[in-house]
Amino acid sequence: TQLLEQSPQFLSIQEGENLTVYCNSSSVFSSLQWYRQEPGEGPVLLVTVVTGGEVKKLKRLTFQFGDARKDSSLHITAAQPGDTGLYLCAGARYTDKLIFGTGTRLQVFP
Amino acid sequence: NAGVTQTPKFQVLKTGQSMTLQCAQDMNHNSMYWYRQDPGMGLRLIYYSASEGTTDKGEVPNGYNVSRLNKREFSLRLESAAPSQTSVYFCASLGSYEQYFGPGTRLTVT
Repeated sequence: TQLLEQSPQFLSIQEGENLTVYCNSSSVFSSLQWYRQEPGEGPVLLVTVVTGGEVKKLKRLTFQFGDARKDSSLHITAAQPGDTGLYLCAGARYTDKLIFGTGTRLQVFP
Repeated sequence: NAGVTQTPKFQVLKTGQSMTLQCAQDMNHNSMYWYRQDPGMGLRLIYYSASEGTTDKGEVPNGYNVSRLNKREFSLRLESAAPSQTSVYFCASLGSYEQYFGPGTRLTVT
């Protein structure tokens, strides 16, 4: 059972465009993380959000945790080719085990 | 400080063959994980170990066994490989607030 659905599954955009990736669930999470994965490597943590409504910014990336802690979004402003990769959300439900989302593959063309 | 290492990087097996995927971490972490990654499905937890000597099933444990040999090492064994086990396998360990991933093992079962 996939508890975390990400949309869109694929995103192909030009450099300079803005985009938003969504991570949705019907379950409540104690915290939610976003990872980025490059080809041939393991995922690397970008951010952790723990409070409903929390917004965190990491340079051009803005992460938001939904008020009810069931969903999250990642917004990238002025995307660059270096942002290309697979973006994964992952939720924890009061344990050390993470439930990963289905992934969003982003391609940014120069 | 190598982080999380995995061997081998690539492997091709015939149906019915067995093999062990090795994982080691040098960060003195207690919790370790094995995931498989398939297109469009994110990462799915196979097995989890909260500490040396303990293991627990994840979402997709069938066809796999694990051994937590010591605090550093956590191995994954396929006793009789099946084509459905063709995937990329990732090992991870849990730090203070994030999981650290190895580079992955790409396994093909023919």
